[in-house]
Amino acid sequence: GQNIDQPTEMTATEGAIVQINCTYQTSGFNGLFWYQQHAGEAPTFLSYNVLDGLEEKGRFSSFLSRSKGYSYLLLKELQMKDSASYLCAPRDSNYQLIWGAGTKLIIKP
Amino acid sequence: IAGITQAPTSQILAAGRRMTLRCTQDMRHNAMYWYRQDLGLGLRLIHYSNTAGTTGKGEVPDGYSVSRANTDDFPLTLASAVPSQTSVYFCASSPTGTEADTQYFGPGTRLTVL
Repeated sequence: GQNIDQPTEMTATEGAIVQINCTYQTSGFNGLFWYQQHAGEAPTFLSYNVLDGLEEKGRFSSFLSRSKGYSYLLLKELQMKDSASYLCAPRDSNYQLIWGAGTKLIIKP
Repeated sequence: IAGITQAPTSQILAAGRRMTLRCTQDMRHNAMYWYRQDLGLGLRLIHYSNTAGTTGKGEVPDGYSVSRANTDDFPLTLASAVPSQTSVYFCASSPTGTEADTQYFGPGTRLTVL
């Protein structure tokens, strides 16, 4: 079957760094997406990885290891507005996204 | 303003009633999707369409139907609503539905079936 594992909730301090891990099992693999979702709002695209390694985009970076079925999202210089849920979504052999339940990130002053 | 719109924003519906959720995009994207999101669960795909005139079933299609008469519109119909269909429904679109294809989401419809 297809499965995504992410921590349910994490807490971090403003200005710090946090790493959100995601492990996945899918039928085939065609890249992995990270989305951000603020409470009561729609998911918005953050990053996409298809090859192994680190993709950096400003304060956010995403890493992928296809052999380990593992990805992480790294958020630096945390700001209060980063309080949100972060959704890991690998894409399977049919190019369908398989969504994790998301990690709720709480930022404290 | 380019993007995806959904209507209604929220709705309370009696069980057994028919309901159509509307979704319109003006980005000329080929692919469109309907998801439901329930507390503690990931987004689950209901139906999708890779191009106008074609549709496909997702992970949880039972009780729902869709049509794709043109590129812009992708309505989702609940023929006879049941309480288990209480959820937040998101419509999304992407340029092609393949390769490095980012999905863009509408604001969602919060549906309560009593």
